[in-house]
Amino acid sequence: AQSVSQHNHHVILSEAASLELGCNYSYGGTVNLFWYVQYPGQHLQLLLKYFSGDPLVKGIKGFEAEFIKSKFSFNLRKPSVQWSDTAEYFCAVTFFSGGYNKLIFGAGTRLAVHP
Amino acid sequence: GAGVSQTPSNKVTEKGKYVELRCDPISGHTALYWYRQSLGQGPEFLIYFQGTGAADDSGLPNDRFFAVRPEGSVSTLKIQRTERGDSAVYLCASSLTEAGPEQYFGPGTRLTVT
Repeated sequence: AQSVSQHNHHVILSEAASLELGCNYSYGGTVNLFWYVQYPGQHLQLLLKYFSGDPLVKGIKGFEAEFIKSKFSFNLRKPSVQWSDTAEYFCAVTFFSGGYNKLIFGAGTRLAVHP
Repeated sequence: GAGVSQTPSNKVTEKGKYVELRCDPISGHTALYWYRQSLGQGPEFLIYFQGTGAADDSGLPNDRFFAVRPEGSVSTLKIQRTERGDSAVYLCASSLTEAGPEQYFGPGTRLTVT
């Protein structure tokens, strides 16, 4: 069955540190890839998405992600985090199944940034 | 334009009661999805509608859960005989077609079963 794995459940960083959150999926076909963010007490927001083209995708708030097809990965990066980046981050992948694009989420990574 | 809306935003109910959660998708979107997000977890797929029909209900946990979309727009998720384990945030999303690929999420309904 298709699945999405996020390797880190909890990450703690100091402000200005660099961030990389891992995401891997298991599916050999065409995928669409997303990163969502959920700030404390708020609903899901789309950070960035990849459908095709340049595998390095830039999103909002200085985030970027790189799709590496050979590694089935879509890792999220930010060169310098801020306290306001404290949130939960979800990787999600669509798999074409049963006639539609089915969206599967990873379990999430909770990021805490200390000032 | 208006996004996906969900009502109520919060619902507290007693164990054993019946609840209905409503989703208004983006106008013109034919595909509608329901997800459940339990505390500390990612959203989990429940059911997918294409138009009025439930094309994939494989994520519904048991027969206490049911969803309808009678006119191909608004959808209602119905939970009978609620249990404490049903407490979660229920998310609705819509996409322009079944091919998506992007789904637009509503703010969710937080259901608490006491």
